[in-house]
Amino acid sequence: EVVLTQSPGTLSLSPGERATLSCRASQSVSSYLAWYQQKPGQAPRLLIYDASNRATGIPARFSGSGSGTDFTLTISSLEPEDFAVYYCQQRGNWLTFGGGTKVEMK
Amino acid sequence: QVQLVESGGGVVQPGRSLRLSCAASGFIFNNYGMHWVRQAPGKGLEWVGVISHDGTNKFYADSVKGRFTFSRDSSKNTLYLQMNSLRAEDTAVYYCAKEGPRNGYNYFDYWGQGTLVTVSS
Repeated sequence: EVVLTQSPGTLSLSPGERATLSCRASQSVSSYLAWYQQKPGQAPRLLIYDASNRATGIPARFSGSGSGTDFTLTISSLEPEDFAVYYCQQRGNWLTFGGGTKVEMK
Repeated sequence: QVQLVESGGGVVQPGRSLRLSCAASGFIFNNYGMHWVRQAPGKGLEWVGVISHDGTNKFYADSVKGRFTFSRDSSKNTLYLQMNSLRAEDTAVYYCAKEGPRNGYNYFDYWGQGTLVTVSS
């Protein structure tokens, strides 16, 4: 099973700041990685798939990069609605999720 | 628009069974694989498994293999999760999710609202 390790566990930032979230895989998953956003009491929302492709309706401030074992989700300038928990998920070897990164308001 | 509506959650005793349903609309149900994902209270996401677009292939996470069964009814555009021999560690919000953004892609582009299953005596 591919283990996805997300860091940091919590990111404390202010609106307008840049957020950089990391997801590291225990073995290569090629580019088969997605990012999701989840707000309290809501289902997750697909943001990025295949490492760098934005899903339908996702603002351009969200971008993804990486391949192999190291991946990054970047939010270029945080909006108030971006404070949430973010999960990565791989489909390169079975299906697994990372443990999540909480982006909280400083 | 795509809608997925789960139902069937509730409180159940350990060792008992429960069946969840997920009613789908707004897309061609027969064209897409459908997944179940669960989230224990205050925890992260766990993939439970997938049923292929035509119901012929099913894959289960090790944690539920042999206890959970997926099925789908194309005439009703509905997905089912039969859960047997339930354990306390199965307590979670259960989401159905559509594979996407294209068929054959094992990501989840639409999710239901989730239904809570609590296993407790």
